[in-house]
Amino acid sequence: GENVEQHPSTLSVQEGDSAVIKCTYSDSASNYFPWYKQELGKRPQLIIDIRSNVGEKKDQRIAVTLNKTAKHFSLHITETQPEDSAVYFCAASRGGTASKLTFGTGTRLQVTL
Amino acid sequence: GAVVSQHPSWVICKSGTSVKIECRSLDFQATTMFWYRQFPKQSLMLMATSNEGSKATYEQGVEKDKFLINHASLTLSTLTVTSAHPEDSSFYICSARDLIGTSSYNEQFFGPGTRLTVL
Repeated sequence: GENVEQHPSTLSVQEGDSAVIKCTYSDSASNYFPWYKQELGKRPQLIIDIRSNVGEKKDQRIAVTLNKTAKHFSLHITETQPEDSAVYFCAASRGGTASKLTFGTGTRLQVTL
Repeated sequence: GAVVSQHPSWVICKSGTSVKIECRSLDFQATTMFWYRQFPKQSLMLMATSNEGSKATYEQGVEKDKFLINHASLTLSTLTVTSAHPEDSSFYICSARDLIGTSSYNEQFFGPGTRLTVL
């Protein structure tokens, strides 16, 4: 089955700096890669996703890059703000109606003033 | 956007009792729903895939007789934790995919989660 690794497990940055979180996956058939933000005790919130036919996607301060050859994808957050502090999870899926998501281990991001 | 609800949001029960958790898609139909378990400071682990009108598919290591899943309609799936023990205490989250979504990819909408504490 799919295995998703995520690094780092914790990340502390100063407000205004950039944050980068990296994930690798094992299943070459995976073609959908979402990123979720989860605050304590709450549901995961989709913040951005990328399909395998795209190498990069950007939404305001958030961007995701995908390297299918190397089987890795990354989340980039620029101009970080205190409200960006949360746990971020990457995930991978083969897509399709009943295809399941395999989550990474999570990164706890702390944005300090 | 698509909304998924869960009930109850939290529950405390005695060891040995059973607890039922409901997952509902409020404004869309979902052929498939997913049940996850999340222990403190850990990732979401898929327990099972719930398919409307058929048996659930359980992940390796998840006891199907202990975690009973029923998906009786396109908007409701239930997870029953039978004979609960303290080690079953966790955050249980469901998700659903819109049946009539325009994308063929697996964009899932998550419920708010249910915190189960077994004494």
